[in-house]
Amino acid sequence: GQNIDQPTEMTATEGAIVQINCTYQTSGFNGLFWYQQHAGEAPTFLSYNVLDGLEEKGRFSSFLSRSKGYSYLLLKELQMKDSASYLCAVRDRTGGFKTIFGAGTRLFVKA
Amino acid sequence: DTAVSQTPKYLVTQMGNDKSIKCEQNLGHDTMYWYKQDSKKFLKIMFSYNNKELIINETVPNRFSPKSPDKAHLNLHINSLELGDSAVYFCASSQGGTKDEQFFGPGTRLTVL
Repeated sequence: GQNIDQPTEMTATEGAIVQINCTYQTSGFNGLFWYQQHAGEAPTFLSYNVLDGLEEKGRFSSFLSRSKGYSYLLLKELQMKDSASYLCAVRDRTGGFKTIFGAGTRLFVKA
Repeated sequence: DTAVSQTPKYLVTQMGNDKSIKCEQNLGHDTMYWYKQDSKKFLKIMFSYNNKELIINETVPNRFSPKSPDKAHLNLHINSLELGDSAVYFCASSQGGTKDEQFFGPGTRLTVL
């Protein structure tokens, strides 16, 4: 089966750096995604990792270690607008390449 | 231009009624999805269609029936609505390929009274 764990909530200060961790277990790993979801809105794609290592995209970076079943999303120079839920999602090739979402981490950015 | 659109945005109805939610994407994607996000914010896959063909059908009551008249549209019909069906339903689409990121519609908030 599949299992994705991430912290329920985190709080950080404007201008700081925050790291949101995600651990997963899946039998047919085929890629890991991070999505951002503001309250009352749709999820939007942030990043994708399929090979080990760090992918950087502006203020956001995502890291993957397949052997450890571990990823993190790093947000730098936090802004108030970064307050949102961050969803870790894993694509599993078994059963039709479906994407399984974690419950999300609610990030609160305070001034 | 809206990439993935859903109607209606809000739906309030009585238990036992039948309702439909429509979804359209103008991205030219081959794959479309329906997700349910409950009050605990878990986003759970319900169905996936590729080029009008059903490819993923999770453990969903058969009161839920998706229909894809063409690859740009995926509608969701729900019969005999129950209180537990109250949730936000998101439609999404993707092109496929290595990354296959999904583009989500704005969601339909369904409230069953």
